[in-house]
Amino acid sequence: ELKVEQNPLFLSMQEGKNYTIYCNYSTTSDRLYWYRQDPGKSLESLFVLLSNGAVKQEGRLMASLDTKARLSTLHITAAVHDLSATYFCAVDMSYGSARQLTFGSGTQLTVLP
Amino acid sequence: GAGVSQSPSNKVTEKGKDVELRCDPISGHTALYWYRQSLGQGLEFLIYFQGNSAPDKSGLPSDRFSAERTGGSVSTLTIQRTQQEDSAVYLCASSTSRDLRNIQYFGAGTRLSVL
Repeated sequence: ELKVEQNPLFLSMQEGKNYTIYCNYSTTSDRLYWYRQDPGKSLESLFVLLSNGAVKQEGRLMASLDTKARLSTLHITAAVHDLSATYFCAVDMSYGSARQLTFGSGTQLTVLP
Repeated sequence: GAGVSQSPSNKVTEKGKDVELRCDPISGHTALYWYRQSLGQGLEFLIYFQGNSAPDKSGLPSDRFSAERTGGSVSTLTIQRTQQEDSAVYLCASSTSRDLRNIQYFGAGTRLSVL
């Protein structure tokens, strides 16, 4: 059974600081995704990481993937209040023609002024 | 273009009643997924439809849950004899195989409350 573990689950940080969210998964996977969810809203796709060593950046967020370590990181640079949200990593397990995402528990990020 | 549409956005029901939740995927997306998001359980996969193939029902928690997809487009998730533990947000997503990244695009969800 695939397990996806995120840490930390809760993160409060000051504006302007840097931090990293970690996502570990237990078995080999095709793809890893990062999503953002604002309170009461749905999930918004941030990044798709398709291969070992993949790095994607958008604004103050950068995601990376190490398939050998089964680890992805989401790095936040110089945080701003607008980044406050819950961030999920999700691993795509495909078998045969079926696909499903297995999600981590989420990291609730609060950026304080 | 229009995203994934779900209705109703909120549903309050009494224990033991049946409910139907609707999902309208992005036009042209052949894959459709249902997930459940609840406190303490996070996001759980429920069921997956791909085109006209038989659905992957491996995530359905009990035989009270069923889903269908008519004409390869709109999907309905039905929960029979609802229980309080069914209270959650039910999320639908769709994707297209034409995009090799296979990003799943999510709807806003239906918040189900079973009293």
